[in-house]
Amino acid sequence: AQSVTQPDIHITVSEGASLELRCNYSYGATPYLFWYVQSPGQGLQLLLKYFSGDTLVQGIKGFEAEFKRSQSSFNLRKPSVHWSDAAEYFCAVGALNDYKLSFGAGTTVTVRA
Amino acid sequence: DAGVIQSPRHEVTEMGQEVTLRCKPISGHDYLFWYRQTMMRGLELLIYFNNNVPIDDSGMPEDRFSAKMPNASFSTLKIQPSEPRDSAVYFCASTRTGAGANVLTFGAGSRLTVL
Repeated sequence: AQSVTQPDIHITVSEGASLELRCNYSYGATPYLFWYVQSPGQGLQLLLKYFSGDTLVQGIKGFEAEFKRSQSSFNLRKPSVHWSDAAEYFCAVGALNDYKLSFGAGTTVTVRA
Repeated sequence: DAGVIQSPRHEVTEMGQEVTLRCKPISGHDYLFWYRQTMMRGLELLIYFNNNVPIDDSGMPEDRFSAKMPNASFSTLKIQPSEPRDSAVYFCASTRTGAGANVLTFGAGSRLTVL
């Protein structure tokens, strides 16, 4: 069975500082990996995804993530956060021909001025 | 496209009452998912449909929960009778077969409070 672990429940970062959110997955085959963001009271919005190819993927809002198979990780990064990046971030794993996703518990990001 | 549309956005009801949540997927999407989000359990997949047929309902908590998809543009999640522990945000999501099919588009959610 596939599973996702997000070790950090809550991260506080200063505006303009860099951000890295950790994600570790467990899956027997090649995973499809995703990062979603949820603003308060809103649904989940896709930030970026990895299916295959280049292990460094770019997403919306200046986010990027790197797939490291040897570490079973798919960490999300942003070089300089904005106050509007305060939200909850979810890592998810899926697979070819298996359309359901398993989500991590989420990481809440607080941005301080 | 209007995206995935869910209604109601908020529902407050009393224990024992029937609750019906509704979802309209994106036109042309043939997969529909119901997820539940709680503080304790995070995002859990309840059930999903392909071409209106339930494929996996192993996440449905118990017999009080039922879901239907009578046509390609409408699905319901029903709880009868409701209990306080059902309080959560329920999300509907959809996608289509093919390239990028694992990319789910989520609705804004239905926040349910059972008193």
